[in-house]
Amino acid sequence: QVQLQQAGPGLVKPSQTLTLTCAISGDGVSNNRAAWNWIRQSPSRGLEWLGRTYYRSKWYYDSAISVKSRIIINPDTSKNQVSLQLNSVTPEDTAVYYCARAGNGYPNWDFDYWGQGTLVTVSS
Amino acid sequence: QSALTQPASVSGSPGQSITISCAGTSSDVGDYNLVSWYQHHPGKAPKLMIYEVSKRPSGVSNRFSGSKSGNTASLTISGLQAEDEADYSCCSYSHSSASVIFGGGTKLTVL
Repeated sequence: QVQLQQAGPGLVKPSQTLTLTCAISGDGVSNNRAAWNWIRQSPSRGLEWLGRTYYRSKWYYDSAISVKSRIIINPDTSKNQVSLQLNSVTPEDTAVYYCARAGNGYPNWDFDYWGQGTLVTVSS
Repeated sequence: QSALTQPASVSGSPGQSITISCAGTSSDVGDYNLVSWYQHHPGKAPKLMIYEVSKRPSGVSNRFSGSKSGNTASLTISGLQAEDEADYSCCSYSHSSASVIFGGGTKLTVL
Protein backbone atom coordinates (compact mmCIF):
# COMPACT_ATOMS: atom_id res chain seq x y z
CA GLN A 1 0.00 0.00 0.00
CA VAL A 2 1.43 3.32 -1.06
CA GLN A 3 1.53 6.02 1.61
CA LEU A 4 2.64 9.62 1.29
CA GLN A 5 3.57 11.45 4.48
CA GLN A 6 3.95 15.21 4.23
CA ALA A 7 5.99 17.42 6.53
CA GLY A 8 6.73 21.11 6.72
CA PRO A 9 5.83 24.37 8.46
CA GLY A 10 2.28 25.65 8.54
CA LEU A 11 3.25 29.30 8.62
CA VAL A 12 5.54 31.14 6.22
CA LYS A 13 6.26 34.85 6.09
CA PRO A 14 5.63 36.85 2.91
CA SER A 15 8.61 36.91 0.50
CA GLN A 16 10.11 33.81 2.11
CA THR A 17 10.31 30.24 0.77
CA LEU A 18 7.72 27.57 1.40
CA THR A 19 9.30 24.13 1.74
CA LEU A 20 7.44 20.84 2.10
CA THR A 21 8.57 17.23 1.90
CA CYS A 22 6.64 14.12 0.94
CA ALA A 23 8.03 10.81 2.22
CA ILE A 24 7.03 7.83 0.10
CA SER A 25 6.45 4.32 1.39
CA GLY A 26 5.23 1.36 -0.61
CA ASP A 27 6.75 2.70 -3.82
CA GLY A 28 9.96 4.24 -5.06
CA VAL A 29 10.44 7.80 -6.18
CA SER A 30 12.37 6.38 -9.17
CA ASN A 31 9.46 4.14 -10.26
CA ASN A 32 9.48 4.58 -14.03
CA ARG A 33 5.71 4.33 -14.28
CA ALA A 34 4.92 6.98 -11.67
CA ALA A 35 4.99 10.76 -11.46
CA TRP A 36 5.15 12.72 -8.22
CA ASN A 37 3.02 15.83 -8.09
CA TRP A 38 2.26 18.81 -5.90
CA ILE A 39 -1.29 20.15 -5.88
CA ARG A 40 -2.84 22.85 -3.72
CA GLN A 41 -6.35 23.83 -2.76
CA SER A 42 -7.63 27.19 -1.62
CA PRO A 43 -11.13 28.67 -1.36
CA SER A 44 -10.31 31.29 -4.00
CA ARG A 45 -8.49 29.12 -6.55
CA GLY A 46 -9.91 25.65 -5.89
CA LEU A 47 -7.63 22.74 -6.75
CA GLU A 48 -4.54 23.78 -8.66
CA TRP A 49 -1.83 21.52 -10.03
CA LEU A 50 1.60 23.02 -9.34
CA GLY A 51 4.17 20.67 -10.78
CA ARG A 52 5.66 17.20 -10.96
CA THR A 53 8.80 15.16 -11.34
CA TYR A 54 9.25 11.70 -12.78
CA TYR A 55 12.04 9.33 -13.75
CA ARG A 56 12.31 7.81 -17.23
CA SER A 57 16.00 6.94 -17.49
CA LYS A 58 16.58 10.51 -16.35
CA TRP A 59 14.64 12.99 -14.24
CA TYR A 60 11.98 15.19 -15.80
CA TYR A 61 10.24 18.22 -14.33
CA ASP A 62 7.04 20.03 -15.31
CA SER A 63 5.40 23.00 -13.62
CA ALA A 64 2.33 25.15 -13.96
CA ILE A 65 2.77 28.39 -15.83
CA SER A 66 1.40 30.32 -12.84
CA VAL A 67 4.30 29.29 -10.57
CA LYS A 68 6.97 28.34 -13.11
CA SER A 69 9.44 31.04 -12.05
CA ARG A 70 9.09 30.27 -8.33
CA ILE A 71 8.83 26.50 -7.98
CA ILE A 72 11.42 23.78 -7.47
CA ILE A 73 10.46 20.12 -7.13
CA ASN A 74 13.27 17.77 -6.13
CA PRO A 75 13.36 14.01 -5.82
CA ASP A 76 15.60 12.57 -3.10
CA THR A 77 16.40 8.94 -3.88
CA SER A 78 18.38 8.43 -0.68
CA LYS A 79 15.35 9.33 1.44
CA ASN A 80 12.72 8.16 -1.07
CA GLN A 81 10.93 11.46 -0.94
CA VAL A 82 10.07 14.46 -3.04
CA SER A 83 10.19 18.07 -1.94
CA LEU A 84 8.48 21.28 -2.94
CA GLN A 85 10.03 24.72 -2.73
CA LEU A 86 7.95 27.75 -3.60
CA ASN A 87 9.87 31.02 -3.50
CA SER A 88 8.76 34.59 -2.83
CA VAL A 89 5.42 33.60 -1.36
CA THR A 90 2.54 36.01 -0.90
CA PRO A 91 -0.76 35.64 0.98
CA GLU A 92 -2.20 34.34 -2.32
CA ASP A 93 -0.13 31.20 -1.77
CA THR A 94 -2.07 30.35 1.38
CA ALA A 95 -3.60 26.93 0.70
CA VAL A 96 -3.68 23.27 1.63
CA TYR A 97 -0.79 21.63 -0.20
CA TYR A 98 -0.89 17.98 -1.26
CA CYS A 99 1.65 15.66 -2.74
CA ALA A 100 0.13 13.04 -5.00
CA ARG A 101 1.30 10.09 -7.03
CA ALA A 102 0.16 9.52 -10.60
CA GLY A 103 0.90 5.83 -10.83
CA ASN A 104 -1.05 4.51 -13.78
CA GLY A 105 1.71 5.02 -16.29
CA TYR A 106 1.83 7.33 -19.29
CA PRO A 107 0.58 10.04 -19.52
CA ASN A 108 0.40 10.10 -15.70
CA TRP A 109 -2.39 12.62 -15.23
CA ASP A 110 -4.58 10.77 -12.71
CA PHE A 111 -3.62 10.97 -9.05
CA ASP A 112 -4.13 7.64 -7.30
CA TYR A 113 -2.48 8.30 -3.94
CA TRP A 114 -2.43 11.56 -1.98
CA GLY A 115 -0.66 12.85 1.08
CA GLN A 116 -2.63 14.02 4.08
CA GLY A 117 -2.38 17.68 3.10
CA THR A 118 -0.57 20.54 4.81
CA LEU A 119 -2.27 23.86 5.48
CA VAL A 120 0.27 26.58 4.76
CA THR A 121 -0.59 30.11 5.75
CA VAL A 122 1.44 33.01 4.40
CA SER A 123 1.35 35.79 6.95
CA SER A 124 3.69 38.06 8.84
CA GLN B 1 -12.96 31.07 -11.35
CA SER B 2 -12.23 27.38 -12.05
CA ALA B 3 -11.46 26.27 -15.58
CA LEU B 4 -13.96 23.40 -15.57
CA THR B 5 -17.54 24.16 -14.58
CA GLN B 6 -19.37 22.00 -12.06
CA PRO B 7 -22.63 22.62 -10.21
CA ALA B 8 -21.98 23.89 -6.70
CA SER B 9 -24.23 21.30 -5.14
CA VAL B 10 -26.38 18.28 -5.86
CA SER B 11 -28.47 16.16 -3.58
CA GLY B 12 -30.29 12.88 -3.56
CA SER B 13 -31.95 10.40 -1.27
CA PRO B 14 -30.45 7.05 -0.30
CA GLY B 15 -30.87 4.53 -3.07
CA GLN B 16 -31.33 7.16 -5.78
CA SER B 17 -28.91 8.01 -8.59
CA ILE B 18 -27.33 11.38 -9.17
CA THR B 19 -25.14 12.80 -11.92
CA ILE B 20 -22.54 15.54 -11.58
CA SER B 21 -21.56 17.37 -14.73
CA CYS B 22 -18.19 18.86 -15.62
CA ALA B 23 -18.23 21.29 -18.52
CA GLY B 24 -15.03 22.11 -20.34
CA THR B 25 -13.99 23.07 -23.85
CA SER B 26 -12.62 21.51 -27.00
CA SER B 27 -9.13 22.18 -25.64
CA ASP B 28 -9.57 19.95 -22.62
CA VAL B 29 -12.53 17.65 -21.90
CA GLY B 30 -13.59 17.54 -25.53
CA ASP B 31 -10.22 16.68 -26.96
CA TYR B 32 -8.75 14.18 -24.53
CA ASN B 33 -9.96 11.09 -22.73
CA LEU B 34 -8.03 12.21 -19.67
CA VAL B 35 -10.86 13.13 -17.31
CA SER B 36 -10.68 11.99 -13.71
CA TRP B 37 -12.94 12.42 -10.70
CA TYR B 38 -12.00 12.81 -7.05
CA GLN B 39 -14.01 12.34 -3.87
CA HIS B 40 -13.01 14.58 -1.01
CA HIS B 41 -14.23 14.25 2.54
CA PRO B 42 -13.32 17.28 4.69
CA GLY B 43 -10.04 16.82 6.49
CA LYS B 44 -9.08 13.78 4.43
CA ALA B 45 -6.99 13.29 1.33
CA PRO B 46 -8.86 13.26 -1.99
CA LYS B 47 -9.61 9.82 -3.43
CA LEU B 48 -9.46 8.90 -7.12
CA MET B 49 -12.85 7.52 -8.16
CA ILE B 50 -12.69 7.54 -11.97
CA TYR B 51 -9.81 8.02 -14.42
CA GLU B 52 -9.54 8.25 -18.19
CA VAL B 53 -13.25 9.19 -18.36
CA SER B 54 -14.74 5.87 -17.29
CA LYS B 55 -12.15 3.60 -15.69
CA ARG B 56 -12.55 2.63 -12.05
CA PRO B 57 -9.51 2.06 -9.84
CA SER B 58 -9.34 -1.18 -7.94
CA GLY B 59 -11.45 -0.96 -4.79
CA VAL B 60 -13.85 1.72 -6.00
CA SER B 61 -17.48 0.65 -5.93
CA ASN B 62 -19.14 -0.06 -9.27
CA ARG B 63 -21.87 2.34 -8.16
CA PHE B 64 -19.56 5.03 -9.49
CA SER B 65 -19.36 5.48 -13.25
CA GLY B 66 -18.03 8.12 -15.61
CA SER B 67 -18.84 9.20 -19.13
CA LYS B 68 -18.24 12.00 -21.59
CA SER B 69 -20.22 13.65 -24.35
CA GLY B 70 -18.62 16.40 -26.35
CA ASN B 71 -17.07 18.93 -24.00
CA THR B 72 -18.90 17.69 -20.91
CA ALA B 73 -17.93 14.84 -18.63
CA SER B 74 -20.23 13.30 -16.05
CA LEU B 75 -19.95 11.28 -12.87
CA THR B 76 -22.93 9.13 -11.96
CA ILE B 77 -23.41 7.60 -8.53
CA SER B 78 -26.13 4.98 -8.31
CA GLY B 79 -27.68 3.53 -5.17
CA LEU B 80 -26.70 6.58 -3.11
CA GLN B 81 -25.38 5.85 0.37
CA ALA B 82 -24.80 8.17 3.30
CA GLU B 83 -21.03 7.62 3.00
CA ASP B 84 -21.12 9.12 -0.51
CA GLU B 85 -21.76 12.56 0.97
CA ALA B 86 -18.62 14.50 0.08
CA ASP B 87 -17.17 17.01 -2.37
CA TYR B 88 -16.47 15.76 -5.90
CA SER B 89 -14.03 17.42 -8.28
CA CYS B 90 -13.39 16.71 -11.93
CA CYS B 91 -10.03 17.10 -13.58
CA SER B 92 -8.95 17.12 -17.23
CA TYR B 93 -5.81 17.44 -19.24
CA SER B 94 -5.74 20.79 -21.00
CA HIS B 95 -3.86 21.48 -24.21
CA SER B 96 -3.78 25.19 -23.36
CA SER B 97 -1.82 24.67 -20.16
CA ALA B 98 -0.10 21.37 -21.10
CA SER B 99 -1.18 20.11 -17.69
CA VAL B 100 -4.36 19.36 -15.82
CA ILE B 101 -7.09 21.71 -14.69
CA PHE B 102 -9.76 21.09 -12.09
CA GLY B 103 -13.40 21.92 -11.63
CA GLY B 104 -14.59 24.02 -8.72
CA GLY B 105 -16.05 21.02 -6.93
CA THR B 106 -19.59 19.84 -6.24
CA LYS B 107 -20.94 19.21 -2.78
CA LEU B 108 -23.07 16.09 -2.71
CA THR B 109 -25.66 15.92 0.04
CA VAL B 110 -27.40 12.64 0.79
CA LEU B 111 -30.77 13.60 2.20
